[in-house]
Amino acid sequence: GIQVEQSPPDLILQEGANSTLRCNFSDSVNNLQWFHQNPWGQLINLFYIPSGTKQNGRLSATTVATERYSLLYISSSQTTDSGVYFCAGRETGGFKTIFGAGTRLFVKA
Amino acid sequence: EADIYQTPRYLVIGTGKKITLECSQTMGHDKMYWYQQDPGMELHLIHYSYGVNSTEKGDLSSESTVSRIRTEHFPLTLESARPSHTSQYLCASSDPQGVEKLFFGSGTQLSVL
Repeated sequence: GIQVEQSPPDLILQEGANSTLRCNFSDSVNNLQWFHQNPWGQLINLFYIPSGTKQNGRLSATTVATERYSLLYISSSQTTDSGVYFCAGRETGGFKTIFGAGTRLFVKA
Repeated sequence: EADIYQTPRYLVIGTGKKITLECSQTMGHDKMYWYQQDPGMELHLIHYSYGVNSTEKGDLSSESTVSRIRTEHFPLTLESARPSHTSQYLCASSDPQGVEKLFFGSGTQLSVL
């Protein structure tokens, strides 16, 4: 079936620490995207990353499509990084974007 | 960045009321979506649209209905709101030119008393 699985489900960091979030996806999913949902509920598209590596400031993402996983790296974390991080993929040959259950991140000052 | 707008941002209403949640985008995207989300939980697709006069139900059963009379507008209606409809409703659109990158509005937090 169509699956997008994220780990860990919850993460607490001290400000300044680095972290890696993981997303595993099934064969029927492609076109990986990473989103950040802030505490006010706004969802921001961080990366569209079907394969390869991209970087944006302190954030970077890598997708290894042949092994069906993607990683989101957060370096030098800040309190404003807190929120929920979702990965999502589009069903192959289809229309819908399927979301994982999210990683809830809290960065302590 | 994306120009997709949702109103109202917050709505508190009584049981049995009819409500319409508004969603508009100015990017000319053909594909639009409604997701339902409980706080901090995963998103569930409840409706989507390929374009004008095209609407489909998503994976999560919903008593809401949608319409798509204009490309930029994709309202969601609840004919008779119930407490079980309390949730956040997120509207999104995507660029159909191969990438399908999703852009979200700010959401409507609905509370039905």
